[in-house]
Amino acid sequence: EAQVTQNPRYLITVTGKKLTVTCSQNMNHEYMSWYRQDPGLGLRQIYYSMNVEVTDKGDVPEGYKVSRKEKRNFPLILESPSPNQTSLYFCASNPAGTFTGELFFGEGSRLTVL
Amino acid sequence: SQQGEEDPQALSIQEGENATMNCSYKTSINNLQWYRQNSGRGLVHLILIRSNEREKHSGRLRVTLDTSKKSSSLLITASRAADTASYFCATNQAGTALIFGKGTTLSVSS
Repeated sequence: EAQVTQNPRYLITVTGKKLTVTCSQNMNHEYMSWYRQDPGLGLRQIYYSMNVEVTDKGDVPEGYKVSRKEKRNFPLILESPSPNQTSLYFCASNPAGTFTGELFFGEGSRLTVL
Repeated sequence: SQQGEEDPQALSIQEGENATMNCSYKTSINNLQWYRQNSGRGLVHLILIRSNEREKHSGRLRVTLDTSKKSSSLLITASRAADTASYFCATNQAGTALIFGKGTTLSVSS
């Protein structure tokens, strides 16, 4: 089944404890992206990757890192999480290495930072 | 960088009624997309309309685009309880990533 898989789906952690949210897609998509969703603010893009080894900042990249060593994986790294990073995170991909076209979303990762 | 703005923010209707939600945006676009999100789940793509198109249909969905007014509407006909969800428009401008609006929350009661 074609899908975008995120792990973990739920995580409670403490301030400063490094964590990684993994994202993997099995559709051979070029473009991958991370969004965070917060009440009243909608979805905001954190980072995106047009293809392997190419990543760039979105609208809210502060406090996050990403890497794209393989086409299928695009992990999101929080080196030192803070409470303002408590949010619902989504990974998404699309087949074209461009911004156009429909996005395929993962099921989301709900992160709470205490 | 907010682009699309949905209206209304919330909509409650009865099963069988039609639901219309609108999206306005500020700058020229390549395409506009609509997504659905069931509570706490991932977004699902519904329909994409290009800037040179005026109307598209997909099942019970009808999307219109008026580039002169910089607005789009999503019509869901004969709504069902399963249509209860949040609906987002997302705009694609040249050279930039999709920008999502804050969504319309639709509640369909039986």
